[in-house]
Amino acid sequence: EVQLVESGGDLVQPGGSLRLSCVASGFTLRSYWMSWVRQAPGKGLEWVADIIQGGSDKYYVDSVKGRFNISRDNAKNSLYLQMNSLRAEDTAVYYCARVGFGGRYFDYWGQGIQVTVSS
Amino acid sequence: QSALTQPRSVSGSPGQSVTISCTGTSSDVGDYNYVSWYQQHPGKAPKLMIYDVSKRPSGVPDRFSGSKSGNTASLTISGLQAEDEADYYCCSYAGYPYVFGTGTKVTVL
Repeated sequence: EVQLVESGGDLVQPGGSLRLSCVASGFTLRSYWMSWVRQAPGKGLEWVADIIQGGSDKYYVDSVKGRFNISRDNAKNSLYLQMNSLRAEDTAVYYCARVGFGGRYFDYWGQGIQVTVSS
Repeated sequence: QSALTQPRSVSGSPGQSVTISCTGTSSDVGDYNYVSWYQQHPGKAPKLMIYDVSKRPSGVPDRFSGSKSGNTASLTISGLQAEDEADYYCCSYAGYPYVFGTGTKVTVL
């Protein structure tokens, strides 16, 4: 059974940093692109970042470029999102998601983790 | 890139059919077949229901179907059931970034 479990969410002050983790099980992580998708309170879904299987290629939504870094450790079955210079508008539930093999869709999602940016 | 446009809400009685539209442009929905649909119950993670416009993942009931015409994609739920009451989001990939729709709340009367 495919499982994705996020951790690392917290309440952080504006300008602060946070590192989210996502542990994958039930499939071979190194075979898949992976993504982070977020959802602000009462709002819709927003794609945040993608990373290729080996970790060499990364893509970001414009609003987080230069502040967030997506990375992975396939040996540890883990995906990460380092978030720096956090802003109030980054407040959201962050989901780790697997990109369908060879596709452009998200076939499995974690349960989500809350990140709150507030003073 | 702007969010894809979906109706805020649709409703139907059990057994009826409802269709949710997802309108983009000739540069995204109209130009690529990378349209997917997600179901989200309150407080839960999204679940993939349709990918590549009309393909259904294993385990998704066949009463969920997808289609596309021009710049508009659609999700149809036939034989509406109580458990289908949820929020639904479309998503398009036409090169980065992925763009999601504004979301539609489906109510089962």
